[in-house]
Formats: sequence, structure tokens, C-alpha cells
Amino acid sequence: QLQLQESGPGLVKPSETLSLTCNVSGASINSSNYYWGWIRQPPGKGLEWIGSLYYSGNTYYNPSLQNRVTISVDTSKNQLSLKLTSVTAADTAMYYCARRGGTYDRWGQGALVTVSS
Amino acid sequence: DIVMTQTPLSLSVTPGQPASISCKSSQSLLHSDGKTYLYWYLQKSGQPPQLLIYGVSNRLSGVPDKFTGSGSGTDFTLKISRVEAEDVGVYYCMQSKFLPGDTFGQGTKLEIK
Repeated sequence: QLQLQESGPGLVKPSETLSLTCNVSGASINSSNYYWGWIRQPPGKGLEWIGSLYYSGNTYYNPSLQNRVTISVDTSKNQLSLKLTSVTAADTAMYYCARRGGTYDRWGQGALVTVSS
Repeated sequence: DIVMTQTPLSLSVTPGQPASISCKSSQSLLHSDGKTYLYWYLQKSGQPPQLLIYGVSNRLSGVPDKFTGSGSGTDFTLKISRVEAEDVGVYYCMQSKFLPGDTFGQGTKLEIK
């Protein structure tokens, strides 16, 4: 059964880089049938798409974050990664990784990241 | 950029009564492949969103038939025929037709009276 689990520091200082990993189990991240994505949700607010990646390396990013975000995949570890540079308090959010077929049909439980000094 | 607009943003419904949520997109979601890339999610408190409906009107396996999605082009609706306590949460529509990526509506919070 497919499971996704986000992990990473829960606290990041302003201007530093947020780094998260999504461990995928129960399915290969190499599957040609799916993209893999990151979505975030600030406390008490709605969902914001960050970006998505195809196993071959093709990536798509939210234009509002494009200059600061990198999504990558480590197929040997079956992991998806997210890096967001120069963070501010506005980047405080729950960060979800998800599998995308036509849409996001499987989600991790999320990782809460707080940006604060 | 495509914008997804949901109305209302909050809804308070008596158990057993129907509920309806509207989602309007700033551009048509009908793709040249004939498919319409509109989806509905429910996010319950403390949980990630769960997919309810894909392709406008197709319920995911296990989703009760009290949930009905409809619409075309730019106007879409999610209806719940008889609201129950377990339906409480925030409902989101989402489009995935347009690159560079996906867009969610603002969300509609459903509460029980």
C-alpha cells in the first residue's frame, strides 16, 4: 500500500533554506504513470501548490515561488525532496507531498515548518 | 494565471439537509483531449485533503453517492444530498488543466447547525 511520509526540521530561521524529504513506500517513484508534488497550507488558510516533478526530472513550479524552490528526486532512495531558499514568516505552513496521477490522489500526513528566529 | 473562485466560503447546514458549493474557473477547464480537469477534495480537521471527485463528476471508490459533482467549462458544483456530521470540513475544488501547475479554490468550510 502506497505511503508518503514527510520529514525535516520543524523550525527554520528567516533567510535560511527549508529542506524537506518525502519518503515513498509501497510504490516506485520511477513510475511513468505519475508525477509527485508538494503542496503547502499556512495555518488556518487554504492550499497552495508548490510544484511537481516527473520521475524523468521534468519539473513544474508555482510562478510565485519559482525563484526560490527546487524539487528533486532520489530514485535510489525512493524519495522526493523540496528546497525553499530565503524563507520568511510567510513560508510557515504545513507542507504535504502527494502523488499526482490526473490529480493528487495520495497525500502524506504533512510536515509543519515554522519560520522564526 | 487561472483563478478558481468558490462560493460560499462557509456553509452551516442542518443534518439531513442538502448543501451546494460552487466553483468557477477564470478559463475553461475543457481540454482538447475531451476531458475536463476539475476535482473536489474534502479536508477534515487535522488531516490532509482527500480526493472525493475527479473529472467533474466521477466519485472515487468508496465515496458515498450523496456527493454529486456537475458542471462544465468554467462553472462547477458539488452537491451533498443529505449532510451528516461526518461531512464537516473544508471542501476545495482544484484544476489541473493548465501548466505550469495546479490551482486550488479558496475552500468552503462546511459546519453542522
